Amino acid sequence: QSVLTQPPSVSGAPGQRVTISCTGSSSNIGAGYDVHWYQQFPGTAPKLLIYGNNRPSGVPDRFSGSKSGTSASLAITGLQAEDEADYYCQSYDSSLSGNWVFGGGTKLTVL
Amino acid sequence: QVQLVQSGAEVKKPGASVKVSCKASGYTVTNNGITWVRQAPGQGLEWMGWISADSVNTIYAQRFQGRVTMTTDTSTNTAYMELRTLRSDDTAVYYCARVWWNGGKCFDYWGQGTLVTVSS
Repeated sequence: QSVLTQPPSVSGAPGQRVTISCTGSSSNIGAGYDVHWYQQFPGTAPKLLIYGNNRPSGVPDRFSGSKSGTSASLAITGLQAEDEADYYCQSYDSSLSGNWVFGGGTKLTVL
Repeated sequence: QVQLVQSGAEVKKPGASVKVSCKASGYTVTNNGITWVRQAPGQGLEWMGWISADSVNTIYAQRFQGRVTMTTDTSTNTAYMELRTLRSDDTAVYYCARVWWNGGKCFDYWGQGTLVTVSS
């Protein structure tokens, strides 16, 4: 099992808004560590999508991240067919000798 | 621009070792730490470990401790990950990534991945 919990899949129609949740604990997200999000297309390396509440240069503002307590969310507005991919959340965990931890990943399907 | 270029695919027998390289360009490895992440076929991302920018410190995920060694060669701006006593469940794509400390410890640039297949 992954330290961070994500839904295995989410779906939405083009133009809709979808959110992907990421649930952690008091030793990672709840401890105040930033949550980051990565987008991965089949056969390619993950790409940094959101770091904390920020977007790297070139990432559309349709993507946003938020955090509250021991959970975080990735929101995608104005869903587009090209957004269909796997999404992973990541944080830092103070209980495992300073390990970085990932969520299990969420497959986004654009209907 | 920043690039991480990894070595090519490997096929190994159970019990063998593999050493994957990750050559950095566009920045100096001593300015940022390097981390290694693997992804088994059809599975999610698994963090393996980290080596500090000055190569002095390493942190390995508990499940790899004793089997993995991460190093850097500053003369060639290259990082390495060696995994020993390979098992079939070590078959995966192995990625290196740069750690952006000021970005909340995120991984801002990734290598293209190296497929390691463990099979008798």
